Amino acid sequence: GENVEQHPSTLSVQEGDSAVIKCTYSDSASNYFPWYKQELGKRPQLIIDIRSNVGEKKDQRIAVTLNKTAKHFSLHITETQPEDSAVYFCAASFHTGGFKTIFGAGTRLFVKA
Amino acid sequence: NAGVTQTPKFRVLKTGQSMTLLCAQDMNHEYMYWYRQDPGMGLRLIHYSVGEGTTAKGEVPDGYNVSRLKKQNFLLGLESAAPSQTSVYFCASSWGTGGYEQYFGPGTRLTVT
Repeated sequence: GENVEQHPSTLSVQEGDSAVIKCTYSDSASNYFPWYKQELGKRPQLIIDIRSNVGEKKDQRIAVTLNKTAKHFSLHITETQPEDSAVYFCAASFHTGGFKTIFGAGTRLFVKA
Repeated sequence: NAGVTQTPKFRVLKTGQSMTLLCAQDMNHEYMYWYRQDPGMGLRLIHYSVGEGTTAKGEVPDGYNVSRLKKQNFLLGLESAAPSQTSVYFCASSWGTGGYEQYFGPGTRLTVT
């Protein structure tokens, strides 16, 4: 069935460094790829998303890239800050056989001050 | 605007007991979802609804039932709780599918002993 794989499961960086999280998806019909951030004990919240007709999107310190041929997309956070520490989830929306959004297993990011 | 709210926030059940989780949204969203979140497994879709009076199965529907009698409410029922249903449950809503942000509720932590 459809799935989304996310790596790494845990990532630790020094404040000011960059962080990269990668996801791959299985269904080539997917056309929407959101990223959610979940702080400890809080609800997931959308931080950035990208559609399949776009290769890259940037919003201040965060950016997402999409490679449709390879079926993978990545989240890039530059100049990391302690408040970036959270769990990040990627997701892919599938349209075959009805609606589905499949989430990756999550990446726990630690930013050390 | 309260957004998406969930009741209760916490609940402890004994095996075999039943309960209903309530989700409410005030954004006039057509689509509503129930997810469960377990460590290392991300968010898995239990059931969803594409409009008032409709429901559909997600990835992990067994042991759960849902109802959407009013557009703003989406109920998740556990008829006979099992320890495997110990999890954090999130409700979400969106304008549409495959390209629309999902807004999450604060979550319900359920423990089944």
